[in-house]
Amino acid sequence: DIQMTQSPSSLSASAGDRVTITCRASQSIGSYLNWYHQKPGKAPKLLIYGASSLQSGVPSRFSGSGSGTDFTLTISSLQPEDFATYYCQQSYSTPRTFGQGTKVEIK
Amino acid sequence: QVQLQESGPGLVKPSETLSLTCSVSGDSISSYFWSWIRQPAGKGLEWIGRIYTTGTTNYNPSLKSRITMSLDTSKNQFSLKLSSVTAADTAVYYCAREGASGSYRPFDYWGQGTLVTVS
Repeated sequence: DIQMTQSPSSLSASAGDRVTITCRASQSIGSYLNWYHQKPGKAPKLLIYGASSLQSGVPSRFSGSGSGTDFTLTISSLQPEDFATYYCQQSYSTPRTFGQGTKVEIK
Repeated sequence: QVQLQESGPGLVKPSETLSLTCSVSGDSISSYFWSWIRQPAGKGLEWIGRIYTTGTTNYNPSLKSRITMSLDTSKNQFSLKLSSVTAADTAVYYCAREGASGSYRPFDYWGQGTLVTVS
């Protein structure tokens, strides 16, 4: 199985801050990396697919980069509705695997 | 708009079989891969497995011996059976579509999730 490791596990930030979350795969996965966020009691929502492609309807303050084993999700200016838990997920092979999550909290 | 809805018992006894169905509207299940994903309370996401329109399945090796997935194209539904459940199988269970999005196949549509408690 491909292991996905996110860092940090949690962070505190203020509205308007630039936030960066990293995800590392245990082996090369090309650009087969997707990002989601999840609010309490809700299903995850797709933000970025293919490492850097913005899902339709997702605000442009979200961006993704990276390839191979190292990936980054950036929120350019954190908004109140962005406080959530963020997950990376590889779609290179089965079993599909997710990172452990990064909780973005209000400072 | 594609919508997915999980249904099934919310309480299952230990050693019995958990059975869930996902009803899909706004799209035909006769395309794409359709997955089940679960999340224990306060924890991360675990992919259980997926089924394709042909009936081809891929299961998580950690659960493979206990999983059966099937689909019913006439009802536009797909189903999960997880046998010999224990308390460790207590979780919110989601169904999700693995979209096309080039070749990257992200989970682009999700059900709202259903809590299954083993007790």
